[in-house]
Amino acid sequence: EAQVTQNPRYLITVTGKKLTVTCSQNMNHEYMSWYRQDPGLGLRQIYYSMNVEVTDKGDVPEGYKVSRKEKRNFPLILESPSPNQTSLYFCASRSYRGPAAGSPLHFGNGTRLTVT
Amino acid sequence: DQQVKQNSPSLSVQEGRISILNCDYTNSMFDYFLWYKKYPAEGPTFLISISSIKDKNEDGRFTVFLNKSAKHLSLHIVPSQPGDSAVYFCAASAKIIFGKGTRLHILP
Repeated sequence: EAQVTQNPRYLITVTGKKLTVTCSQNMNHEYMSWYRQDPGLGLRQIYYSMNVEVTDKGDVPEGYKVSRKEKRNFPLILESPSPNQTSLYFCASRSYRGPAAGSPLHFGNGTRLTVT
Repeated sequence: DQQVKQNSPSLSVQEGRISILNCDYTNSMFDYFLWYKKYPAEGPTFLISISSIKDKNEDGRFTVFLNKSAKHLSLHIVPSQPGDSAVYFCAASAKIIFGKGTRLHILP
C-alpha cells in the first residue's frame, strides 16, 4: 500500500530536549515536505526537499532541521524544542514525474507534538 | 503575505444542497490548483485539481471552477452528504502554498 508514515503519532516533551519525528514514504517520490498546522493559520511549510541531499527552507523553518540522506526518509529534527513548537505536524511527498505541477501531495497521518 | 486565501473559516450547508467553497490567490504565476480534504486525526487527502489552462474540472459530485481574471477558484459539492463534513484546503503550485482551510458542516 502506497503511504507516508510518520512516527510517533503523539509526543509530549520538555523544553530543550532534542527530538526527531520520522517520515518515510514508499512511493519513490522525489519531493518531500514538512508542514505544521495551527489553529487559524492553516498548513505552513517548514522545510522541503526536491531530492536526496537537496533541502530548502519553507515559510517557517526557524527552530527546525531536516535531512534527506535517502530518498524514502525525511526526518524533522527539533534540536531544542520550545513551547511555541507545540503543533500538529504533517509530512508529505509527491512525484515529479509527469505533469509535476499537478502531482498531488500524499500526506502522513500527522504527529501531535506538545512541548512543555 | 498570504498568496492563497480562504476567507471563510467555516460553512454550514443542508444535506442534499450545494456546498460552495471559495479560494482566492494573488500570484498569477500559479499554474495548478488543488483541493485537499482533511478529517480529524488524519492527514489531508487530495480531492481534485485544475490546471490554469482550464476553467472547469468535474469529478463526480465535485467540480472546481477557475476564474483566472479574478484569481479565484471555487469547489462545488452537489449534492452535499454528511461524509463531506471536513476541513477543505485550497492549494496552489508550484510551491504548494495552502490556504488556512474552510471547515464545512453538513447539517442533517
